Amino acid sequence: NAGVTQTPKFQVLKTGQSMTLQCAQDMNHEYMSWYRQDPGMGLRLIHYSVGAGITDQGEVPNGYNVSRSTTEDFPLRLLSAAPSQTSVYFCASSYASLDQYTQYFGPGTRLTVL
Amino acid sequence: GESVGLHLPTLSVQEGDNSIINCAYSNSASDYFIWYKQESGKGPQFIIDIRSNMDKRQGQRVTVLLNKTVKHLSLQIAATQPGDSAVYFCADLEPQNTGFQKLVFGTGTRLLVSP
Repeated sequence: NAGVTQTPKFQVLKTGQSMTLQCAQDMNHEYMSWYRQDPGMGLRLIHYSVGAGITDQGEVPNGYNVSRSTTEDFPLRLLSAAPSQTSVYFCASSYASLDQYTQYFGPGTRLTVL
Repeated sequence: GESVGLHLPTLSVQEGDNSIINCAYSNSASDYFIWYKQESGKGPQFIIDIRSNMDKRQGQRVTVLLNKTVKHLSLQIAATQPGDSAVYFCADLEPQNTGFQKLVFGTGTRLLVSP
């Protein structure tokens, strides 16, 4: 298994540009989520999904859109990039059962918005 | 609001020593805690978890202690090795009405292991 994969690893955008961060998992996990990590801080939840076709907002959803058309993929879209969105973005997946609850994180995408 | 936080931002230890990383939480309703290790340039990696009905749980070279009376969590690493150098996060779970369990992370403690 490849686990959780993210592309690209690095990205530089200009203010106002849009882009999509890709995330895929091959573990047949029901839950997937996106976090951002700012310097010196823990991760904060942006959006999450409990299954194909079902998404919901986390703590910091503004400026981001998600969709979940398949179990495997959970892309994160930046609609109009702003410097405040400069961060490292992590995608994670997990089983739905609390007894199996372990979130598996991808390697991250480092985004800089100029 | 509810939060999970850490006492010390950086902990420096000698190789072979035992390390103790502390964490305080404020949500008395929290019933599941997780420790993550994050190496430079990588995503967080699950280390160990503990439920609120337990006081202690042991893994390979790691032990997590939970004191619900003072809402305190600690991660003990035995015989610390240079490969243990990383940022360690504690996190607890906040159940959402969708069934999803949201992870609430603390700010992290950087562990530096010198030879």
